[in-house]
Amino acid sequence: QAGLTQPPSMSKDLGQTVTITCTGNSDNVGAQGAAWLQHHQGHSPKLLSNRNNNRPSDITGRFSASRSGNIDSLTITGLQPDDEADYYCSAWDNSLRGWVFGGGTKLTVL
Amino acid sequence: QVQLVQSGAEVRKPGASVKVSCKTSGYTFTDHYIHWVRQAPGQGLDWMGYVNPNRGDTNYAQKFQGRVTMTRDASISTAYMELNTLISDDTAVYYCVAENWGGFGSWGQGTQVIVSA
Repeated sequence: QAGLTQPPSMSKDLGQTVTITCTGNSDNVGAQGAAWLQHHQGHSPKLLSNRNNNRPSDITGRFSASRSGNIDSLTITGLQPDDEADYYCSAWDNSLRGWVFGGGTKLTVL
Repeated sequence: QVQLVQSGAEVRKPGASVKVSCKTSGYTFTDHYIHWVRQAPGQGLDWMGYVNPNRGDTNYAQKFQGRVTMTRDASISTAYMELNTLISDDTAVYYCVAENWGGFGSWGQGTQVIVSA
């Protein structure tokens, strides 16, 4: 099943800003946008942003998402130690008639 | 608050089946689809499919079709995922997820399934 493309890993200094990209196509990201999840190993994933780039009420404004064409992006500002985690994008695919995930981006906060 | 509580870890031999339950609370069960997502060791998240708690209809990812069955019992607000003909590659943590907040909004705690001879 075709997935979405994310950089496997990124690293940034404490307090800095990072942007993680998620590249899809016109059947998924381009059509309906991507949602973003944060996953600390050993815990359940957490929704950061939905396909309309809206955050659940318990998610800090340091996390924001945007979309341009077939690319969705998650930006995290003021990086904190607890932001070190795996980040996944997900989108509904009109062609596959199912959800697809990105391969995940492992974020290291230096 | 919304809670999804899954059944405990399972160990199965290759060729066997496993059934994982997901009991929900804190919301109207029929309001949100229940998805199943798994994560194999060292791998990313993998969408398996969903069940519509209202009507019971399902949609499975192509790679699992013919081997997975997702059901629900609305009377006890519980969803189930059964995976048959297990192979070692099915060793993974299996999550149930309520589709709310416009995405995979509420997750169960995960169920470890180990497939080993």
